[in-house]
Amino acid sequence: AQKITQTQPGMFVQEKEAVTLDCTYDTSDPSYGLFWYKQPSSGEMIFLIYQGSYDQQNATEGRYSLNFQKARKSANLVISASQLGDSAMYFCAMREAYNQAGTALIFGKGTTLSVSS
Amino acid sequence: DADVTQTPRNRITKTGKRIMLECSQTKGHDRMYWYRQDPGLGLRLIYYSFDVKDINKGEISDGYSVSRQAQAKFSLSLESAIPNQTALYFCATSESGGPNNEQFFGPGTRLTVL
Repeated sequence: AQKITQTQPGMFVQEKEAVTLDCTYDTSDPSYGLFWYKQPSSGEMIFLIYQGSYDQQNATEGRYSLNFQKARKSANLVISASQLGDSAMYFCAMREAYNQAGTALIFGKGTTLSVSS
Repeated sequence: DADVTQTPRNRITKTGKRIMLECSQTKGHDRMYWYRQDPGLGLRLIYYSFDVKDINKGEISDGYSVSRQAQAKFSLSLESAIPNQTALYFCATSESGGPNNEQFFGPGTRLTVL
């Protein structure tokens, strides 16, 4: 079974609108972290936001917020006031504290976001 | 200067050739990782290393080998490249510790095997 599922291959939004990118995860580890990365067309991986499994509040970083619903095992990324520069691929990833691969990240397949003017 | 560097940035090679991708970091992190990215599949873990003497296989290690020459250097080798190893390869580093440690990625190496 997939550990990280991103069900939206592509999303389209207009400038200044908010958009939610979905991510669900599967783990039996009580301690884990959830990450979102942005990959523009140039290819680099840009860290956006982190949520720990024990964090009580949803993480926020500027225009990015993470809607963390632990019981539903979802960690959706919300981008407020979209900008043209937000057009990119977005990856959700998880790190489990007791994963055999230690602190390696498990990635979803990504969602391509296209922002239009 | 970038904290995590990868060389080369782009490489075209032929089937059967040996190729090495190099990664260096100045962050002082113990942990280093190699991932590959294929379209539609996200990033998958090839190898990871917790320190110079601790190297482990990841999800897709077949056809690859690695060397941790120093804390700051982690190389990925394709002993005999094949076309389905054409991909974007990322090196990453993180501090040791719990699940909240961010991974820092290099810029990636685009490898094409003809």
